[in-house]
Amino acid sequence: EVQLVESGGGLVQPGRSLRLSCAASGFTFDDYAMHWVRQAPGKGLEWVSGITWNSGSIGYADSVKGRFTISRDNAKNSLYLQMNSLRAEDTALYYCAKDFRRLRFLDNWFDSWGQGTLVTVSS
Amino acid sequence: EIVLTQSPGTLSLSPGERATLSCRASQSFSSSYLAWYQQKPGQAPRLLIYGASSRATGIPDRFSGSGSGTDFTLTISRLEPEDFAVYYCQQYGNPPRTFGQGTKVEIK
Repeated sequence: EVQLVESGGGLVQPGRSLRLSCAASGFTFDDYAMHWVRQAPGKGLEWVSGITWNSGSIGYADSVKGRFTISRDNAKNSLYLQMNSLRAEDTALYYCAKDFRRLRFLDNWFDSWGQGTLVTVSS
Repeated sequence: EIVLTQSPGTLSLSPGERATLSCRASQSFSSSYLAWYQQKPGQAPRLLIYGASSRATGIPDRFSGSGSGTDFTLTISRLEPEDFAVYYCQQYGNPPRTFGQGTKVEIK
């Protein structure tokens, strides 16, 4: 059974940094692209960033480009999101999501999600 | 970036009724690369449909997807109590992947 467990969220002041982690199990982690998707309180879903199985390709939403960095450690079955220069509008529940197809980055969809970790940016 | 517009914003129906949810894209994208997700309060989204019309594993056949080009539909043939939730469409044909704003299906 696929399990994705996010951690690292919390309350942080504007301009500060936070690092999120996602521990994966139940599948061959280094065969799949992984993503971060966020949901502001009471709002819809927004794709934040994605990374291929071998870290060869990475993408970011315009709203976080230059501030957030996605990475992964296949030896540890873990995905990360380094978030710098945080803003109030980054406040959201951050989900880790797995792609469905092995070894594909484009034309792929999210088939498994974690329960999310809440990031609150406020002074 | 492709913008997805879902309608209606809220659908008020009774159990046993048919639900029809619409998702319209700002431009056509590759090969019906559209997915639908269900989200209940306090839970992560769950994949229902991919490729516009293929049901994900374990999804009941009362859920069906259709459409192509810029117009897509999710139909729930007979609403069960557990189907009352928010539904999101999402395209993965043109990066970045984008979501619609959601349709809430509530009990009338």
